[in-house]
Amino acid sequence: NAGVTQTPKFRVLKTGQSMTLLCAQDMNHEYMYWYRQDPGMGLRLIHYSVGEGTTAKGEVPDGYNVSRLKKQNFLLGLESAAPSQTSVYFCASSRQRNQPQHFGDGTRLSIL
Amino acid sequence: KNEVEQSPQNLTAQEGEFITINCSYSVGISALHWLQQHPGGGIVSLFMLSSGKKKHGRLIATINIQEKHSSLHITASHPRDSAVYICAVNRDDKIIFGKGTRLHILP
Repeated sequence: NAGVTQTPKFRVLKTGQSMTLLCAQDMNHEYMYWYRQDPGMGLRLIHYSVGEGTTAKGEVPDGYNVSRLKKQNFLLGLESAAPSQTSVYFCASSRQRNQPQHFGDGTRLSIL
Repeated sequence: KNEVEQSPQNLTAQEGEFITINCSYSVGISALHWLQQHPGGGIVSLFMLSSGKKKHGRLIATINIQEKHSSLHITASHPRDSAVYICAVNRDDKIIFGKGTRLHILP
């Protein structure tokens, strides 16, 4: 039982490059979330999904896109990476709205 | 002003001490979470509560909805409790996080 799996764990990009972060959960959870964590800022919500085929903007959505084509997967895309997007990205899922969240191990992304 | 405020920001204590971390929020919520983030970075959910008190081992979480305040207590603290403790609240479909309290327990 893997829980929430994020790939990749580390990545270095050059400014302007694109990439996709994958989050996969095997708990049949409806809700999935993408967060970024920066020093002194705490976790901030980028985008979230309340079910397959749905997505919604969080607190800091600019520069990111997401898709939830399958219930178990939530993809986070950076179309044109910028140094300000250097961060640690966490994915999480929960069964429903007011339920405990299960977190992935994080992806450390550096944009040069 | 942040919608979720934690205090203290940093806390160093001796092994065995009773620890209290506080969380205050300014918005209407449907639930409050306490999370633990270890130095390796992994985040684990400790408690989710919407009223009253919950206990798990040496950890106790309380919430006062009227005062918009929650506390996380650790009894008989141990160096392995050293971590960042994060308070978060459910507001509609979103979750808002505090900046965390960095706890260091000295042996």
